[in-house]
Formats: sequence, structure tokens, C-alpha cells
Amino acid sequence: DVKVTQSSRYLVKRTGEKVFLECVQDMDHENMFWYRQDPGLGLRLIYFSYDVKMKEKGDIPEGYSVSREKKERFSLILESASTNQTSMYLCASSPMTPRDLYLTDTQYFGPGTRLTVL
Amino acid sequence: AQSVTQPDIHITVSEGASLELRCNYSYGATPYLFWYVQSPGQGLQLLLKYFSGDTLVQGIKGFEAEFKRSQSSFNLRKPSVHWSDAAEYFCAASGGYNKLIFGAGTRLAVHP
Repeated sequence: DVKVTQSSRYLVKRTGEKVFLECVQDMDHENMFWYRQDPGLGLRLIYFSYDVKMKEKGDIPEGYSVSREKKERFSLILESASTNQTSMYLCASSPMTPRDLYLTDTQYFGPGTRLTVL
Repeated sequence: AQSVTQPDIHITVSEGASLELRCNYSYGATPYLFWYVQSPGQGLQLLLKYFSGDTLVQGIKGFEAEFKRSQSSFNLRKPSVHWSDAAEYFCAASGGYNKLIFGAGTRLAVHP
């Protein structure tokens, strides 16, 4: 069965702290994604990765960075947390598809990390 | 720009009643379309997806969705709602290069 896990369900940090959110998938998927979810805004893509050490910016990358040193693990980093980064963070993975403009395969989601920055 | 619109933020139905959640997309071509469900405190679970072929798609938990190209819609339906269906529902469309564009979500409440 497909499984995506995230290191924490709830996290409380202080402004200015460096924050690491970890995501692990056991499906040997090439693609991994980080979203943030806010009420009324749906899910917004922060970064995604289509291969180890490869990353691409999503729609709202400002204030975030990512790391993918191993295929199964994708980390989201908040270099200096701010209160406006308080949100639910969702990780997802999907299998590789040809990089066709219109081709998107199913994404499988982790349970989410609710981050509060004080 | 590509976008997905879910016009209804909140919907309340009685248990046993039928349900239709609306989804419209704005896209240059026929995208791949998805419906996900999110129970409280959980991640997103795929209900169904449309890639091509038959425009009526069956999913898990008794849900179905119909793709209508002329209306740029992909509405989700269920003939008889159960209390356990109370959740938030997200429509999504392929945004290219494995990206998904999500709607803002519809929160479903079920009255006993």
C-alpha cells in the first residue's frame, strides 16, 4: 500500500528559528512535492523535485528551500521562520511520467504537519 | 492562467440525500482531472480521476464524477450521503510537468 509519512503532525516554533520538515515515501516514486494549505486558498505548491538533487520552484517558494539527497526523502526548510508561515504543510509523491506538458499522474499525500510560528 | 474553481465553500446535506459538488476548470486543453477528500486532521485521499475515455468516472466510497467538456466542469456526485462523508473535498487539474492545480475546496457537513 502506498505510504507517505511526515516527521511531525504538530510543530511549534519561534520567529527566526530554522525549521526542517521531513517527508519519506516508500513507493520508489521519482516525484515529490511540498504544499501549504490555508483556509480558503486550497493547496499551493511550494517546491517539487523530479529526481534526487533536482528541484523546481512552485508557486510560492519565497522563504522556503528544499533538499533531496535520497530518492525516498524530501525535506522542506524554513531558513528563518515567520508568523506568516503558520500553516498546514502537506507532502506528496507521484510516479514518474514523461515530462509532457499535459501529463500528470496521481499524487499521494502524507498526513500533514501543522506548523505554528509564534 | 490555469485555474480550478469550486464555487461552493460550504455545503450541508442530510444523511441519505444526494450530493453534487461543483468544479470548473480553466485550461487551454482538456486536462487530467482529480477529486480528493480530506478528513479532519488527515492528508488528502484520491477519490477518482479522469484521464480520457468514458466521461463518467467511478471512484471509491460510492462517488462518481462526470466530465463535461462544453461546460469545463467535473462535478462530483453521490446518490446517498453517509455521515462519514463529512470532510473537505478538493478538485484538481493537471498543470503540466506533474503539477496539480487545486481548487479552494468545499467543506461538506452531513446532518443526521
